[in-house]
Amino acid sequence: EAGVAQSPRYKIIEKRQSVAFWCNPISGHATLYWYQQILGQGPKLLIQFQNNGVVDDSQLPKDRFSAERLKGVDSTLKIQPAKLEDSAVYLCASSLAGSNYGYTFGSGTRLTVV
Amino acid sequence: GNSVTQMEGPVTLSEEAFLTINCTYTATGYPSLFWYVQYPGEGLQLLLKATKADDKGSNKGFEATYRKETTSFHLEKGSVQVSDSAVYFCAPKGVRTSGSRLTFGEGTQLTVNP
Repeated sequence: EAGVAQSPRYKIIEKRQSVAFWCNPISGHATLYWYQQILGQGPKLLIQFQNNGVVDDSQLPKDRFSAERLKGVDSTLKIQPAKLEDSAVYLCASSLAGSNYGYTFGSGTRLTVV
Repeated sequence: GNSVTQMEGPVTLSEEAFLTINCTYTATGYPSLFWYVQYPGEGLQLLLKATKADDKGSNKGFEATYRKETTSFHLEKGSVQVSDSAVYFCAPKGVRTSGSRLTFGEGTQLTVNP
């Protein structure tokens, strides 16, 4: 089966600019996650979708970050305006619903804010 | 919510040495437990999992046993290879279907020298 697709692979922007990341999950996976992974740290959950509804966005900095999942398939994560501390790898993952299922991760988007 | 404590890295071993990476967790109820591996420059890959007490997950020579009494899920491999050099993440996953998510620790960097 095809994996989780993410784009772009790399992005460099200046602070205060905006940026968007795209994710296409595995077909049939109802649950989609966005994680932020700062260098040397474990991934931190930003937002979780179940189909096209938000399940948990408690750790999403909503003053600058937004995410949507149109029609319960693809998802877009946006940062506007970016700050230096947003430099990280943004990982998208999808899974079947239920605690027994692990995630399939995409390769991530490495964002550098200068 | 869930949390996880992993053995601090970095861990440096010689090829064919025995590997143990300790992992303990706190969680509500009986979570499923996962180990993920992240090779340099790549996204996270599922290594193995266990979904109930006393289950043993195994893959590629790695093993981990779900110990409910000690809330642990230690990763072991009898003979490591240079190609095992990566960052390893232990992650419990909650039991609520609509809100189940992986909680990652900080990861343990493993370097295997020839």
